[in-house]
Amino acid sequence: NAGVMQNPRHLVRRRGQEARLRCSPMKGHSHVYWYRQLPEEGLKFMVYLQKENIIDESGMPKERFSAEFPKEGPSILRIQQVVRGDSAAYFCASSPRRRGTPNKTGELFFGEGSRLTVL
Amino acid sequence: QKEVEQDPGPLSVPEGAIVSLNCTYSNSAFQYFMWYRQYSRKGPELLMYTYSSGNKEDGRFTAQVDKSIKYITLFIRDSQPSDSATYLCAMLGWSGGGADGLTFGKGTHLIIQP
Repeated sequence: NAGVMQNPRHLVRRRGQEARLRCSPMKGHSHVYWYRQLPEEGLKFMVYLQKENIIDESGMPKERFSAEFPKEGPSILRIQQVVRGDSAAYFCASSPRRRGTPNKTGELFFGEGSRLTVL
Repeated sequence: QKEVEQDPGPLSVPEGAIVSLNCTYSNSAFQYFMWYRQYSRKGPELLMYTYSSGNKEDGRFTAQVDKSIKYITLFIRDSQPSDSATYLCAMLGWSGGGADGLTFGKGTHLIIQP
């Protein structure tokens, strides 16, 4: 049973280019979360998606960032016109059920991350 | 004040020692408390989770939550060099409005010396 798969593992972009990060959740999981980890910082929640729906994007920057989880295929985190401050590790996590409901934590399974470097 | 405070370390202890890692928090709405372990260049993996106050034990690991003082602790007994990693505390509250994201501490870098 494959875990959460993220690709690419490493991505280098020049300022102004676009970055696309992909995440395939664990089999049977329909809930996907994206987190960002800056150097010397903790993981920061960005967005929570279910198939074809964005449930909570309260952690997403208002501009240049977007996420989707189509009916078929992986979830994609897209960063347009990247800047140096976007350099970070981006982690995807999946869960078999919704988190945050009473008495249900819904364990998160993390991928190995995609490390974006903006030159 | 940050919502979750965690000493980044590094914390270096000899093999076999009891390790105590902790986090403090300010948000009274947090009800679920978790500890993740993250090896270098890898994704976090869940070690322990607890709901509300109390203790939970799993092998060499014990998680303790004291909501009265907003303080959580992870104990590691008989520490091994393979326990060397960054330990992240994480918290979740149920606000009824869809609090779906975990709030993480910055992580404590733990080194177990052989």
